[in-house]
Amino acid sequence: DSGVTQTPKHLITATGQRVTLRCSPRSGDLSVYWYQQSLDQGLQFLIQYYNGEERAKGNILERFSAQQFPDLHSELNLSSLELGDSALYFCASSARWASEQFFGPGTRLTVL
Amino acid sequence: SQELEQSPQSLIVQEGKNLTINCTSSKTLYGLYWYKQKYGEGLIFLMMLQKGGEEKSHEKITAKLDEKKQQSSLHITASQPSHAGIYLCGARRPDAGGTSYGKLTFGQGTILTVHP
Repeated sequence: DSGVTQTPKHLITATGQRVTLRCSPRSGDLSVYWYQQSLDQGLQFLIQYYNGEERAKGNILERFSAQQFPDLHSELNLSSLELGDSALYFCASSARWASEQFFGPGTRLTVL
Repeated sequence: SQELEQSPQSLIVQEGKNLTINCTSSKTLYGLYWYKQKYGEGLIFLMMLQKGGEEKSHEKITAKLDEKKQQSSLHITASQPSHAGIYLCGARRPDAGGTSYGKLTFGQGTILTVHP
């Protein structure tokens, strides 16, 4: 158990819908990262927050957004969902940018 | 990412054999991270290397980062079926301004099968 929790574990929805994925980092970790893993693209960085502020962005679609709350948990919002958004979404956390980065169990999103 | 290449893509070994997985970057790294993943599950942190020439070991797994900080190897001694899975290397690199905010770029993974 990495100490990073993610909910829900599985999510099945339809095209055009909007979903919210939730992540709680390890106790004391200020940085939260979101990654997407798919068969064709592999594991890709989406976005990073540090102590509530956005720090780095990857190839995140405009339909996707995230935020980190004062209690340091984070949410990833995916809207206008398309079939191609089906993937495993991981959250990771670290104490500092140069620290070990621990991953949660992931949320498997299926868009039908 | 083509900037981070892992080799081999897959590996099948007999239990008890030693094996090595390589991870090569086209650019200098600030940090190199090794993870293990069971299919469809989360990534298990193995080791993080930051200094040129650094070597770390945990149980039967040893990871090294070369002096130029562009290549890393993961070596498993006397492999066991429990070592089977997908091994991923992740690179932490500086952005255009020279800062690294911690985001990782991953290789495509190496699928390891260990036959009893």
